[in-house]
Amino acid sequence: RKEVEQDPGPFNVPEGATVAFNCTYSNSASQSFFWYRQDCRKEPKLLMSVYSSGNEDGRFTAQLNRASQYISLLIRDSKLSDSATYLCVVNSYTGNQFYFGTGTSLTVIP
Amino acid sequence: NAGVTQTPKFRVLKTGQSMTLLCAQDMNHEYMYWYRQDPGMGLRLIHYSVGEGTTAKGEVPDGYNVSRLKKQNFLLGLESAAPSQTSVYFCASSYNPTSGGGTSISNEQFFGPGTRLTVL
Repeated sequence: RKEVEQDPGPFNVPEGATVAFNCTYSNSASQSFFWYRQDCRKEPKLLMSVYSSGNEDGRFTAQLNRASQYISLLIRDSKLSDSATYLCVVNSYTGNQFYFGTGTSLTVIP
Repeated sequence: NAGVTQTPKFRVLKTGQSMTLLCAQDMNHEYMYWYRQDPGMGLRLIHYSVGEGTTAKGEVPDGYNVSRLKKQNFLLGLESAAPSQTSVYFCASSYNPTSGGGTSISNEQFFGPGTRLTVL
């Protein structure tokens, strides 16, 4: 079983739409959770960390459900510039390693 | 600050050749990582280092060796390249992800721009 699983998409949405991505993880001892963004042929960059109580950064909202072991990312009022691949990342039980999902592709259409 | 840099950006090797990828960071991070990214597989950890002079195996270490002689540098070596090692290689660095003073933001990994390696 993979450590982190994501729906690969692709998600094609019109500008202004709201889109949600989910991610599940297998290790209940994981303590750190993140969403990274990766543009085509570029390196991943941190979008936001995910806290137990949920957190929001502008149009982006991240949620963590420890009981069900899943993480979500909600993007409101989608912009063309949001088009990218979104990677779910979870740390190992030792904390030293990070496991990446395969990524969810988003294309925002004019 | 340059952040994380990788050398080279592109390389084509023949099967059996050897090469070394260099990663350098100027953020005084303790932890450094080497990942490979393949279509449909996501990023997979090859090796990592928790400090100068120490290295550890990740998820897919076979066929690779690493060294961390200086805190700011992390080298990835391929002794005898194989076509299965054709991939995009990313280096990353971070502060100690097991510390953090109560904030997860200190666990952020900073990535280099990647090295595209083709083995023929």
